[in-house]
Parts: sequence; structure tokens; C-alpha cells
Amino acid sequence: AQSVTQPDIHITVSEGASLELRCNYSYGATPYLFWYVQSPGQGLQLLLKYFSGDTLVQGIKGFEAEFKRSQSSFNLRKPSVHWSDAAEYFCAVGTYNTDKLIFGTGTRLQVFP
Amino acid sequence: EPEVTQTPSHQVTQMGQEVILRCVPISNHLYFYWYRQILGQKVEFLVSFYNNEISEKSEIFDDQFSVERPDGSNFTLKIRSTKLEDSAMYFCASSEGGDIFRGNSPLHFGNGTRLTVT
Repeated sequence: AQSVTQPDIHITVSEGASLELRCNYSYGATPYLFWYVQSPGQGLQLLLKYFSGDTLVQGIKGFEAEFKRSQSSFNLRKPSVHWSDAAEYFCAVGTYNTDKLIFGTGTRLQVFP
Repeated sequence: EPEVTQTPSHQVTQMGQEVILRCVPISNHLYFYWYRQILGQKVEFLVSFYNNEISEKSEIFDDQFSVERPDGSNFTLKIRSTKLEDSAMYFCASSEGGDIFRGNSPLHFGNGTRLTVT
């Protein structure tokens, strides 16, 4: 069965610092991979997605993620974090033969000025 | 930008009571979903719905749960007899098409309804 692991429950960074949020997945074939962000009181917003092709994908708000098959990872990165990036970030995996997404437990990002 | 709207934002109910969570998907969307997140745990898929019927459901979605599209705009989740363990944030989502993994029909989520069962 598919699964997603986000090993970091809570990350704190200073504004302007770089950011990397980790995501590892378990699935036998090539998965479809997503990152969602949830700001307080808001719904889940899609940041970026990977289906195939270029393993480095660009998303909204200056985020990018890299799919590494050998490491079963899909880490989210941003070169310079803004205070407005403080939120909960969810990695998710999907497969071609199902409607559902499998989510990780999320990483809460706190940004200090 | 069109949004998925969920009401209420917070619902408190007593154990054993029926509760209906309401969602208004984006108007031209055809596929509808419910997910939930128990506090501190993962966001979990409950059910997907298309063409007035359930297309997929998880093992969580037992006989206590039902979904309905009573009119052209609302999509509801009913829990017949709530249990303490049903306390969670419930998210509604919709997509224009069913092929959500091709990028042409991404999922749009609502802000959620926090259900508290006492």
C-alpha cells in the first residue's frame, strides 16, 4: 500500500533563510506526487505536482520540489523564506488507478523575523 | 477565483446525534470528495462522488456515513450517529474532471469544518 512520511513535524527558520521540507513515499511504481499548503483557517492549496518528465518541478510562491526515485523522496525547497510562508505543509501521493490522495502527517513551518 | 465553500466552520454535536456537513463545490466541477483529518494525524480520504454516485470510498466510510448531492450546488456528508472518534476536521474538495493526476483537473479544497463530538 502507498504511504507518505514527513519526518519533520515542526520546523523553524529565520526569514530569508533557505528551506527544505522532507517527504518520502512508499509505492511500487512511479507515483504522482503533490505538495499542499494550509494556512491557518484556510483550506489546502496545491503548491506543485509531479507526474512525469523533469524531476525538478516549479510551483507557486517560489517553491520547487525534486523527485528522486532512488531515494523515494520528493523534498520541497525554497531559497528564501518569507514570513507569509508560515503554514502547514502536506506531501501527498496518488496513483493512476484510484481517485484518492494519500497524505503525510504534515510539517508545520514557523518563520522568525 | 472560485472557491469551495464549507459550512459551518465549526460544529459541535453530542455523541449519537446525526450531523450534516455541507459543501458548495466550484460550479463547473463534476467530481467531489470528502477528506478528514483527526487532530495530529494525517489527512485521510473518505469518499469520491461522480454522476450522483460514489465512485470510491475508504474503509473509514462505513454505513454511518453517506453523501448526497441534493441539488445542483450542494454536496453533503452525513454522519448518522456520531461517535467521539468522528471528531476531526472534514475537508470537501472538487475537481473539474476525474483525471486529477494529469494536472488538468487539480483538486480544490474548502477551508474545512471542524466537527467536535462530545
